[in-house]
Amino acid sequence: LAKTTQPISMDSYEGQEVNITCSHNNIATNDYITWYQQFPSQGPRFIIQGYKTKVTNEVASLFIPADRKSSTLSLPRVSLSDTAVYYCLVAEGLTGGGNKLTFGTGTQLKVEL
Amino acid sequence: GAGVSQTPSNKVTEKGKYVELRCDPISGHTALYWYRQSLGQGPEFLIYFQGTGAADDSGLPNDRFFAVRPEGSVSTLKIQRTERGDSAVYLCASSLASGRGETQYFGPGTRLLVL
Repeated sequence: LAKTTQPISMDSYEGQEVNITCSHNNIATNDYITWYQQFPSQGPRFIIQGYKTKVTNEVASLFIPADRKSSTLSLPRVSLSDTAVYYCLVAEGLTGGGNKLTFGTGTQLKVEL
Repeated sequence: GAGVSQTPSNKVTEKGKYVELRCDPISGHTALYWYRQSLGQGPEFLIYFQGTGAADDSGLPNDRFFAVRPEGSVSTLKIQRTERGDSAVYLCASSLASGRGETQYFGPGTRLLVL
């Protein structure tokens, strides 16, 4: 099981770039790295996923070094609405197919004016 | 398009009662997952369906918990003889297929409170 470790909390200000780093030292060859965002009283929302190097979409970038033992989620120019819990996950393949997502406690990001 | 929906959004029951929680996955998604989230924690995997069959139920905490997906679409999580420790948010997720790297899309959850 590829356990992830990430900071419990981070603070930032509007307009800043936020980088959240996650370690996953025993990631398996076939595992993907996935990040979710969760607001209070809502289900987790998919942000971005990658296998290696760099992935970018309209909301974030994901940087993965060659050894894949860590990853960094980059949120450009955060706003107050980005205040949420961010989870770094490694999807574990299930015996019958499918992917088991193992969530940790996540990183509580607080964005202030 | 419509996302994953779950009903009811909130459920209050008494200890010992039976409850059913419903999940409507995204149309066309063959894989369906149930997770449980306790206060201050991340979601924990309960069970995974591929089509109509429960392909992996290793996360179900005990035999009071059971889930079905009879037609390969809607799923129902059933909890018998509820206990106060069952109080949590029950989340459902679906994905288009079951391959590695398939994105899971979550519903808003059902908040279960057992008094």
